Amino acid sequence: DAKTTQPPSMDCAEGRAANLPCNHSTISGNEYVYWYRQIHSQGPQYIIHGLKNNETNEMASLIITEDRKSSTLILPHATLRDTAVYYCIVRTHGSGNTGKLIFGQGTTLQVKP
Amino acid sequence: GAGVSQSPSNKVTEKGKDVELRCDPISGHTALYWYRQSLGQGLEFLIYFQGNSAPDKSGLPSDRFSAERTGGSVSTLTIQRTQQEDSAVYLCASSLAGAEQYFGPGTRLTVT
Repeated sequence: DAKTTQPPSMDCAEGRAANLPCNHSTISGNEYVYWYRQIHSQGPQYIIHGLKNNETNEMASLIITEDRKSSTLILPHATLRDTAVYYCIVRTHGSGNTGKLIFGQGTTLQVKP
Repeated sequence: GAGVSQSPSNKVTEKGKDVELRCDPISGHTALYWYRQSLGQGLEFLIYFQGNSAPDKSGLPSDRFSAERTGGSVSTLTIQRTQQEDSAVYLCASSLAGAEQYFGPGTRLTVT
């Protein structure tokens, strides 16, 4: 699976949008971009995933560039409870693929009052 | 509905002893994964089960580690002759085939 690069840390003011970037310049055509987060002392939590179109759900939006070499996770109105480590992961789908997640170091997002 | 559950939540054991960690996946999820997270480290894949297929054991760090999944549901991760470097949080996740994974709260293992 392709490697991803994320900034180690970011701050965001409460109530403002948090924009978390991820570079995945070696992504291949059948690899999806997944985002998970891990709040302190909890297991990782799935947020969103996409292939090439932008995606939105109740938690966040995912913007993927046209060349698919980078993406941005957007938390539209960050709250203190969004303070966590955010992981950007690329993985393939389909039979024969285990779907195991390869976690990098992620981005530690600190939401400040 | 119920999420992934793991037990025990905390386990302290003496070096050299065997331990068993349990995972109850979400009902109906065919795929089950074990990961571990050492202090200050990222999450590391250990083993994967999918239906009746042979498990992917490529992430197990040594032959002291083994896992089984009985009846396609509950899974047990066993660590024999524990060492201090085995101290970590052991996380279980389950999913429908190829879909997003849902993680349990983890078991914190401390080897003294």
